[in-house]
Amino acid sequence: SQTIHQWPATLVQPVGSPLSLECTVEGTSNPNLYWYRQAAGRGLQLLFYSVGIGQISSEVPQNLSASRPQDRQFILSSKKLLLSDSGFYLCAWKILGQLYGYTFGSGTRLTVV
Amino acid sequence: AQKITQTQPGMFVQEKEAVTLDCTYDTSDPSYGLFWYKQPSSGEMIFLIYQGSYDQQNATEGRYSLNFQKARKSANLVISASQLGDSAMYFCAMREGWDFGNEKLTFGTGTRLTIIP
Repeated sequence: SQTIHQWPATLVQPVGSPLSLECTVEGTSNPNLYWYRQAAGRGLQLLFYSVGIGQISSEVPQNLSASRPQDRQFILSSKKLLLSDSGFYLCAWKILGQLYGYTFGSGTRLTVV
Repeated sequence: AQKITQTQPGMFVQEKEAVTLDCTYDTSDPSYGLFWYKQPSSGEMIFLIYQGSYDQQNATEGRYSLNFQKARKSANLVISASQLGDSAMYFCAMREGWDFGNEKLTFGTGTRLTIIP
């Protein structure tokens, strides 16, 4: 079966510290992968998406970067966190060519202090 | 300009009543898809229903139906016979086109639905 794993579930980091959030997908190959951020009480904002290994598209200029070192692995990073990076980060995947079927991970709640 | 607009930040509905959550969208692409997701307090995103731009009939999934009015660019979610477990945030989202290189979902700001016993 197809599953998506996202960790950690919660994270508290000081301002200026680095960040690495990981998302992996099982049971499929060559998925489209996405990173979304949700500020408290707000909608989901698309940060990055990837259609293949090493291919990253950025939607919003910011303090974050993304990488896809393997087909089913998507990593969100920051060298120095800002207070404004706090939020709920969701990874999602989708099989190319399907009309729908976006699947979301369980999310990481990041608090920058 | 906002591509997805949800004008109801919050709604309170009596249990067992029907509820309509509003969503309007903006696109010039003839091929698009509209989604509704439910987000309980746990944060997970639960897919509810999908409507394609070329679908002739309104989508239905159990107690959920999507009132698709293409000319008005409206895709309202209707929940019949609401239950306490329906209390959550609800997001409308749109996928534009079918460009394999740029396929992504754009979300609205959401509606917080509270069901009152």
